[in-house]
Amino acid sequence: NAGVMQNPRHLVRRRGQEARLRCSPMKGHSHVYWYRQLPEEGLKFMVYLQKENIIDESGMPKERFSAEFPKEGPSILRIQQVVRGDSAAYFCASSPRLSETQYFGPGTRLLVL
Amino acid sequence: AQSVSQHNHHVILSEAASLELGCNYSYGGTVNLFWYVQYPGQHLQLLLKYFSGDPLVKGIKGFEAEFIKSKFSFNLRKPSVQWSDTAEYFCAVKGNRDDKIIFGKGTRLHILP
Repeated sequence: NAGVMQNPRHLVRRRGQEARLRCSPMKGHSHVYWYRQLPEEGLKFMVYLQKENIIDESGMPKERFSAEFPKEGPSILRIQQVVRGDSAAYFCASSPRLSETQYFGPGTRLLVL
Repeated sequence: AQSVSQHNHHVILSEAASLELGCNYSYGGTVNLFWYVQYPGQHLQLLLKYFSGDPLVKGIKGFEAEFIKSKFSFNLRKPSVQWSDTAEYFCAVKGNRDDKIIFGKGTRLHILP
């Protein structure tokens, strides 16, 4: 059973460009969570999605960030007009149900030049 | 406010030394507790978890943790560390009906051969 997959593993963008981060949950998992890890910090929750629905986006910045989890395909975290402060590792996790253990992917390390 | 505090940011030990990493949390209500480990260049892996039952939890690779409800603590222990335990360790808490995991800032453990 493949684990949580994320791509790309590393992404370099210039200020003002868009970043698209993809996450494929583990097979049988319909709950997806995105977290961000800034340098020297722990992971911080961003958003929780189920198929086609955003359930909790209390950790998402109000502007430039959006997330989706379509009926078919991976979950996407989209950052528009990136700034240097967006440089971080973005982790996706999935679980089969809300109260179950979350399993993490390898992360996407975003560097904004 | 919900938070997790890890007592040490960096710990250096020699092989065969005993390890205890401190973790305290602040959270109202029933909690689930986790320790995750991130080996160099690898993704976050679940080391052990507490949901209910015996407060002494045994995880992989000889690690264990004890949930002391009265102290709001979930310290991680290992009686004899190995060089391969060099990694970053994250303590985390989640409400048992909540979606987001709250992470501590992590403890970087370096084991000297």
